[in-house]
Amino acid sequence: SQTIHQWPATLVQPVGSPLSLECTVEGTSNPNLYWYRQAAGRGLQLLFYSVGIGQISSEVPQNLSASRPQDRQFILSSKKLLLSDSGFYLCAWSAGMGEEPFFGPGTRLTVL
Amino acid sequence: AQKITQTQPGMFVQEKEAVTLDCTYDTSDPSYGLFWYKQPSSGEMIFLIYQGSYDQQNATEGRYSLNFQKARKSANLVISASQLGDSAMYFCAMRENTGNQFYFGTGTSLTVIP
Repeated sequence: SQTIHQWPATLVQPVGSPLSLECTVEGTSNPNLYWYRQAAGRGLQLLFYSVGIGQISSEVPQNLSASRPQDRQFILSSKKLLLSDSGFYLCAWSAGMGEEPFFGPGTRLTVL
Repeated sequence: AQKITQTQPGMFVQEKEAVTLDCTYDTSDPSYGLFWYKQPSSGEMIFLIYQGSYDQQNATEGRYSLNFQKARKSANLVISASQLGDSAMYFCAMRENTGNQFYFGTGTSLTVIP
């Protein structure tokens, strides 16, 4: 069966520090991968999605970036965090067109 | 324009009663899929139910059913016989066949009252 992992589960970082959140998927190959952000009390905002290694689509201009160095690995990064980057970050995968996304457990990021 | 609209930020329902969570969508794509997710306080997103735009019948999964009205572009979630464990945020989402993106609404917070 397929599983999706995210780490760390929680993170507290100072403003201006770098960020690296990792997401890995097991039990499937060539998944579509997504990064979403959920600000407190709000819906999910799609940040990036990827349909293959090295292929990244950005939905929202920001100081975040994403990379997909391996088929089942998706990384969210920032060189300098802002206060507004605080939120709950969810990684998700789907088998492709027409398939529902399955979400990881999420990372709760607090920028101080 | 918003792709998915959930107009109820918060809802209350008595235990064992049924509740309807509203969702309207906007798309010009003739083929699309509609999804509902549950997010308990732990934060995980749990897939509940799916409705395809060409499905003739409303989707049902246990106590969950989707009231799909294509002409009105609405896909309301109906939870029957509410339980205390149903208290959570509920998100409606849509995927258009022309892209790989899923669009989510802002969610509805459901509280089941004993």
